[in-house]
Amino acid sequence: EVQMLESGGDLIQPGGSLRLSCAASGFTFSSSAMSWVRQAPGKGLEWVSSISGSGDSTYYTDSVKGRFTISRDNSKNTLYLQINSLGVEDTAIYYCAKTTAFDVWGQGTMVTVSS
Amino acid sequence: DVVMTQSPLSLPVTLGQPASISCRSSQSLVHSDGNTYLNWYQQRPGQSPRRLIYKVSNRDSGVPDRFSGSGSGTEFTLKISRVEAEDVGVYYCMQYINWPRTFGQGTKVEIK
Repeated sequence: EVQMLESGGDLIQPGGSLRLSCAASGFTFSSSAMSWVRQAPGKGLEWVSSISGSGDSTYYTDSVKGRFTISRDNSKNTLYLQINSLGVEDTAIYYCAKTTAFDVWGQGTMVTVSS
Repeated sequence: DVVMTQSPLSLPVTLGQPASISCRSSQSLVHSDGNTYLNWYQQRPGQSPRRLIYKVSNRDSGVPDRFSGSGSGTEFTLKISRVEAEDVGVYYCMQYINWPRTFGQGTKVEIK
């Protein structure tokens, strides 16, 4: 069974940094592109970033370019999202999703940016 | 960016009755490879999103056959033939022909 388990969410002050992780299982991780999608409280879904299976290609939505970095460790079947210079607008549940077509989702991890 | 526009945004439905959600894209989602890159997702209250339909009309494994997707080019529809209580939630369309990936605003389905 394909599963993703996110972790790393926290309450953090504006300007702070955080690293989110997504542990994947049940499929050949290194062959699959992976993505992060977020959902602000009471709002819709917003794609954040994607990475190819090899890690050579990365993609970001404009609002996070230069602040967020997606990466992966295929030896650990784990996806990461390093988020820096956090603002209140980054408060959201962050989901990891398999592929760039988001075919399977994790349960999400909550990031709250507040002073 | 490709703008995805859903309607209606709220859909009260009687149990056992059909429901239909429309999704329009600001540009064609037909790729040069012949595929149309449009998916539908369901998000039940308190849960993660779940993909229901991929490439316009293909149901994911385990998705009841009362869900169907149709459309072409820039106009797409998700239909529920007979709404059940477990179908309550928010439904999103999403395009993945271009970067950035973009979602519709979501349609909230509730029981009357």
